[in-house]
Amino acid sequence: ETGVTQSPTHLIKTRGQQVTLRCSSQSGHNTVSWYQQALGQGPQFIFQYYREEENGRGNFPPRFSGLQFPNYSSELNVNALELDDSALYLCASSLASGRAKTQYFGPGTRLLVL
Amino acid sequence: GESVGLHLPTLSVQEGDNSIINCAYSNSASDYFIWYKQESGKGPQFIIDIRSNMDKRQGQRVTVLLNKTVKHLSLQIAATQPGDSAVYFCAEGADGLTFGKGTHLIIQP
Repeated sequence: ETGVTQSPTHLIKTRGQQVTLRCSSQSGHNTVSWYQQALGQGPQFIFQYYREEENGRGNFPPRFSGLQFPNYSSELNVNALELDDSALYLCASSLASGRAKTQYFGPGTRLLVL
Repeated sequence: GESVGLHLPTLSVQEGDNSIINCAYSNSASDYFIWYKQESGKGPQFIIDIRSNMDKRQGQRVTVLLNKTVKHLSLQIAATQPGDSAVYFCAEGADGLTFGKGTHLIIQP
């Protein structure tokens, strides 16, 4: 167990709706990264948050947005859901100090868009 | 563009044998590489990492080899056990990791 928790575990939404996914980082970690993993694929980087600011972003549209809170927990928000947004959403926490930035993943939230 | 890829989608080995999972990367500027194990229904689990200033690193039953000349990374698992059955991903990067598609390791009894 990594100590990274995510909620909810599963979620079903319909096209056009909005969704919020939550992540609590491992104790002592100040950086949170979000990934999307489609079935049978490797995770794809969405964005990273450090000190409550976005610290890097992958190739995802603006309808994917996030927040990081003072306790380092984080939210991923997706607006105007599309069928292709159906995936496992993974959160990873790390400690942004020095060069050691190993990311530890939570169990993920399985999102199904109908 | 940059990518991280795996040579084989499925690898089947006998229990007790050694497993070798290979990975190629294209970004010659990459300086940090990680191997993750993902079991069905779970998030990726960190196995071992290596920086570009090293060519070998060992953990418990696992060894990662890095060949920067040919941009190749491998994960060796000694004495493979049934609990090693999973999908293995190599990844590279610092902040946003770039993952390959994964190799499914199957353990034959």
